[in-house]
Amino acid sequence: AQKVTQAQTEISVVEKEDVTLDCVYETRDTTYYLFWYKQPPSGELVFLIRRNSFDEQNEISGRYSWNFQKSTSSFNFTITASQVVDSAVYFCALSEADAGGTSYGKLTFGQGTILTVHP
Amino acid sequence: DAGVIQSPRHEVTEMGQEVTLRCKLISGHNSLFWYRQTMMRGLELLIYFNNNVPIDDSGMPEDRFSAKMPNASFSTLKIQPSEPRDSAVYFCASRPHSGVAGELFFGEGSRLTVL
Repeated sequence: AQKVTQAQTEISVVEKEDVTLDCVYETRDTTYYLFWYKQPPSGELVFLIRRNSFDEQNEISGRYSWNFQKSTSSFNFTITASQVVDSAVYFCALSEADAGGTSYGKLTFGQGTILTVHP
Repeated sequence: DAGVIQSPRHEVTEMGQEVTLRCKLISGHNSLFWYRQTMMRGLELLIYFNNNVPIDDSGMPEDRFSAKMPNASFSTLKIQPSEPRDSAVYFCASRPHSGVAGELFFGEGSRLTVL
């Protein structure tokens, strides 16, 4: 069975600080996808980033970066120079895929990390 | 393009009443997912459809819950009779069949309160 664990329940930082959100996952599949979603106070779920299991290259996109380490089953997400607008609940999610690399689409979510950025 | 559209955004009802939540998929998408979010259990998948066919309904809590996809662009989630423990935010999400990576596009949610 799949499982996603976000050990940090809440994080509080001051604006301009860097913040890293941790995510650890469990799956028996060799092919899978990992995602980060953001849920701002307005309540919608916004897709941020994805990574597939066969590409461990870490990337940076603007103020966002992620560190995928298959050996430790971790998919951590970093926001550089945090801003008040980054305050939200952040969810890590996992989707298994078939042998061809196509996701089944069914996401298993972690419990979420509440990030508060103070001015 | 319009995103996933859910209605109603808020619903307050009394125990025992029937509740129907509605979802319109993004044009061109053919996979539909219903999720429920509560403080205690987080985000749980209730059911999902591919091409109007239910694929996995193992997350549907009990027989009081039913979901249909009468056509390629629309789905309903019905609770009958509703109970206070059904209070939650219900999200609908869709994705294109051609989407290899599988990220889902979520609606804004329907917040249900059962008194």
